[in-house]
Amino acid sequence: DTAVSQTPKYLVTQMGNDKSIKCEQNLGHDTMYWYKQDSKKFLKIMFSYNNKELIINETVPNRFSPKSPDKAHLNLHINSLELGDSAVYFCASSTQLAGFKETQYFGPGTRLLVL
Amino acid sequence: DQQVKQNSPSLSVQEGRISILNCDYTNSMFDYFLWYKKYPAEGPTFLISISSIKDKNEDGRFTVFLNKSAKHLSLHIVPSQPGDSAVYFCAAGGSNYKLTFGKGTLLTVNP
Repeated sequence: DTAVSQTPKYLVTQMGNDKSIKCEQNLGHDTMYWYKQDSKKFLKIMFSYNNKELIINETVPNRFSPKSPDKAHLNLHINSLELGDSAVYFCASSTQLAGFKETQYFGPGTRLLVL
Repeated sequence: DQQVKQNSPSLSVQEGRISILNCDYTNSMFDYFLWYKKYPAEGPTFLISISSIKDKNEDGRFTVFLNKSAKHLSLHIVPSQPGDSAVYFCAAGGSNYKLTFGKGTLLTVNP
C-alpha cells in the first residue's frame, strides 16, 4: 500500500491549459504539503494544509490553487499553464505541522512538462 | 536567497569507506535539521534529524553532526554501501513550520 500517492505521475500539456494533480495519503496524517522541484533542483514549499485549513501559502502565482476536500486529500489545480511551471511537484504529509519530530512522507512526484 | 547550501553536487566513494556530506545554512533562526534521501523517480524519504540543542545524533550507520557556531552540519555514513547511492537533501526548519531544502548531493558508492 502506497502511503502517499500522486496522480498522474507524468503530465505533458500545452501552454494555457488548466490541469490538476491529485494527492492522497492513507497514513491518517493531519497535515499535507505541496512542494515544487524546479530545474535547479531546489525543493520549495508551496502550500501546507492542516486539518483542511491553509497554513502556509508561499509566494506562488494565484494560478495555483490547492484544494483539500478532506484530511486525506490535497489536490493542486493550475490555471493557464506557463513554460516556467514545468517541474516535478511533490506532495507530502506529516502527523502535524512540520517540526523537529514531524517526519514528512513524500509522494513519488508528478513530472509536469509544459510545451 | 539560498538559506541552505549543499556546495558539493556530487560525491563518489568506495564501498566500505566513509561518506561525508556537508551542508551550510545562513538563517540562525533554524532550530532543527534533517537529512532526506532520494532515489530516482521516487519522493524523498526521511533519514535522520538533529535538534539545534544537540551537536550529534546517531542512527546505525548514519551520524549527523551540527556545528552551530559555523552554521554547518554534516552527514556521515559508515560504512558506505552501494544501496546508499542516492541524492541526499539537507533541510532546515524553525518555528514557521516550513522546511527549507538544499539542492542535494548525489552520492555514488562504488562496489
